[in-house]
Amino acid sequence: EVQLLESGGGLVQPGGSLRLSCAASGFTFSSYGMNWVRQAPGKGLEWVSGISSGGGSAHYAESVKGRFTISRDNSRNTLDLQMNSLRVEDTAVYYCAKALMSYSSSIASAVQWGQGTLVIVSS
Amino acid sequence: DIVMTQSPDSLAVSLGERATINCKSSQSVLYSSNNKNYLGWYQQKPGQPPKLLIYWASNRESGVPDRFSGSVSGTDFTLTISSLQAEDVAVYYCHQYYSTPQTFGQGTKVEIK
Repeated sequence: EVQLLESGGGLVQPGGSLRLSCAASGFTFSSYGMNWVRQAPGKGLEWVSGISSGGGSAHYAESVKGRFTISRDNSRNTLDLQMNSLRVEDTAVYYCAKALMSYSSSIASAVQWGQGTLVIVSS
Repeated sequence: DIVMTQSPDSLAVSLGERATINCKSSQSVLYSSNNKNYLGWYQQKPGQPPKLLIYWASNRESGVPDRFSGSVSGTDFTLTISSLQAEDVAVYYCHQYYSTPQTFGQGTKVEIK
């Protein structure tokens, strides 16, 4: 069974930094692209970033480009999101999402979701 | 960016009746080399993460009841719940994964009439 466990959320001031992690189990982590998707309180879903199975290809939403960095450690089955220069509008539940399909360099797939971790950016 | 527009924003359907949710993409999400539409549907119940229902526009995810089905006509996609059950009350989202940034529809809230 696929399990995705996010951690690292919390309260941070505007301009601050936070690092989210996702511990994956129940599948061959190194074979699947991974994503971060967020959901602001009471709002819809927004794709944030994705990374290919080997980590060689990373993509970002324009709203986070230059501030967020996605990375993965296939030896430890973990996915990270380093978030810098946080803004009030980054407040959301952040979901770790596994690609359904296994590709070597693409993240073009429907996704399966973790439970999410809440990030609040406020002074 | 590909814009995904869902309709309606909400709908109320009687138990046992059909619910139909539409999603239109601003451009094709059909990959010609494999003839697949890069479109998924998700269900999100209150306080829960989204759950994958449909991928490649019409393939049902393992374990999803067969009352859920997906169809496509060009850039118009439809999620149909053939006989609404009480546990189907949720918000439903379409998702294009054809190109980055991947994008979602705004969501459709399904309630019991």
